Formats: sequence, structure tokens, C-alpha cells
Amino acid sequence: QKEVEQDPGPLSVPEGAIVSLNCTYSNSAFQYFMWYRQYSRKGPELLMYTYSSGNKEDGRFTAQVDKSSKYISLFIRDSQPSDSATYLCAMRRSSGTYKYIFGTGTRLKVLA
Amino acid sequence: DSGVTQTPKHLITATGQRVTLRCSPRSGDLSVYWYQQSLDQGLQFLIQYYNGEERAKGNILERFSAQQFPDLHSELNLSSLELGDSALYFCASSPDKDTDTQYFGPGTRLTVL
Repeated sequence: QKEVEQDPGPLSVPEGAIVSLNCTYSNSAFQYFMWYRQYSRKGPELLMYTYSSGNKEDGRFTAQVDKSSKYISLFIRDSQPSDSATYLCAMRRSSGTYKYIFGTGTRLKVLA
Repeated sequence: DSGVTQTPKHLITATGQRVTLRCSPRSGDLSVYWYQQSLDQGLQFLIQYYNGEERAKGNILERFSAQQFPDLHSELNLSSLELGDSALYFCASSPDKDTDTQYFGPGTRLTVL
């Protein structure tokens, strides 16, 4: 079993929809959680960063961490065709060095 | 544009060969990270260098090695290449050794025939 599981999609939604992207993980030691956006033929770009449990909002994006369920989510409000990309979750332990574990990514298509 | 540059963009080689991938971090960034991205494994952390010193090691094969030079650019050397090494290789950089904000380069696509 992988340490981080992410549905590969593709997930297709109409423009303006609320999108929910999720990752589950097995290691309770993970404390730092990130979401990256990756456009086709480009490198990943950091979107959201959260520590431990709770919510964080940035514009149309909200990141949510539920450590008791080992579950993290990224919500995109008022989705746009420009949001069409692959979204990767990533996480790491609190101690030691910065070794990140990534999900395999969910491909999102927002239809105009 | 993240400010991280990687060369070459594409590389096609044969099994058993050796290649070198190059990365120049953003101006002022001291940490460099290398990642491998394949369809079945996703993005895998390989290794981190900070100011010339190895800082963290991930799932890097013994056939692979990396270094960071005094001018802070980094090279990833892949030897005895196998078909399964075909992947996208990304370099990322960050200002310090203890920060989660990484800036990724455009990647090098390696094809092993």
C-alpha cells in the first residue's frame, strides 16, 4: 500500500463548479501538507501549504486537513478552464529532513 | 517562469549508457532538490543538496548520483540506464534548507531505448 493515495481522475466539471480534490495517507507522523498544481509539460507549482489540522484559504482555494481521518482536501470555488491541470498532494514528517511524499496526482478538466 | 533552469529539455539514449542532467537554481537559492516523475510511480523525491552538501536522501538508486557545485548549480548523473529509468526529472530550489516552499524547473524528459 502506498503511503499517500490519490484518485488519478480525470475529473471533469463545468465552469463555475466547486471542485473537491482529496488525498488519504497512512503515516500519522505527517504534519506538513502541500498542494501543487502541474500544467501539462510544466513543473509543479506550490498552491497551498498547511501545518497539522485545520483549514487554510487563499482566494478561490481552500486546503483542509483532517489528521484524525488521515485525509486532506483541496477545494476550488468558481472553477475556471485555466484550473485544468493535474493537482498533486505532498506531505512530510515534522522532524528530520525535508523528504516529501507525493500523491500520484488527480487530473482535473474544467469545461467551458 | 519559476527561475529554475534545467538542461537538456529532452534526452534520448540507450540502455547501459550514462547521462548528466543539469540544474541552475533560482538566484540566491541555496537548496536544490531532484525528483523523478513517472506515470506509474508519480513524483518521487530523490535527493536534496544544501550549499554544496547532501542534506536528505529519498528513493535514489545507487546507479544515480548527484552533486552541487560551488556556484550552486547541480548535476544528476544516471548510469547503467535501464528502460524503467525513462521519466521526467525535475529539479527544484528553495532559499534555505528548512523551508517547504520549493520552485520547480521545467524538467528534463529522459527516454531510454
